[in-house]
Amino acid sequence: NAGVTQTPKFRVLKTGQSMTLLCAQDMNHEYMYWYRQDPGMGLRLIHYSVGEGTTAKGEVPDGYNVSRLKKQNFLLGLESAAPSQTSVYFCASSVDRVNTEAFFGQGTRLTVV
Amino acid sequence: EDQVTQSPEALRLQEGESSSLNCSYTVSGLRGLFWYRQDPGKGPEFLFTLYSAGEEKEKERLKATLTKKESFLHITAPKPEDSATYLCAVGMYSGGGADGLTFGKGTHLIIQP
Repeated sequence: NAGVTQTPKFRVLKTGQSMTLLCAQDMNHEYMYWYRQDPGMGLRLIHYSVGEGTTAKGEVPDGYNVSRLKKQNFLLGLESAAPSQTSVYFCASSVDRVNTEAFFGQGTRLTVV
Repeated sequence: EDQVTQSPEALRLQEGESSSLNCSYTVSGLRGLFWYRQDPGKGPEFLFTLYSAGEEKEKERLKATLTKKESFLHITAPKPEDSATYLCAVGMYSGGGADGLTFGKGTHLIIQP
């Protein structure tokens, strides 16, 4: 049972380039989330989804877009990467609303130069 | 605004030396308090969820407790493998959907043999 899988694990981008981070979960969870983790800041919510075809903004959504075309996948896009988006990105999923545990992926370490 | 504060930021203990980690929170209505463990280069791993003051949960050498304003993670007779960063989070829910978790910055715990 893979749980939550993130692709890629590492990436280096030049300023202005675009990329998509993929999150896949095999637990049939309705809810999925994208967080970023920065030193001294803790984990912060970027965007989330409450089901297939839905997305919503979290605490720090600017500069990111997301899509949930299939229930098991949640994509995070950076249209024009900036150095401020250098971070570790985590995807998570949960069975239902936030009052149940969230399962996290292993993270994607992104560096924008 | 919901806030989560963890203390201490870092803690170094000898093997077998028991201690407690603190998580204080200010939320308009608690919708679950969560403890996670995070190892270097990995995603957070779920430990406990607490929902109401007075609730306690245990797992091996860890015990989590909850009051109306704070939660404690007690570590009894720790071993080197308990070394990790411990994250506390509270559930956000505005009524419109699964708004994710608000995380503290974590306590970096080192257990020396």
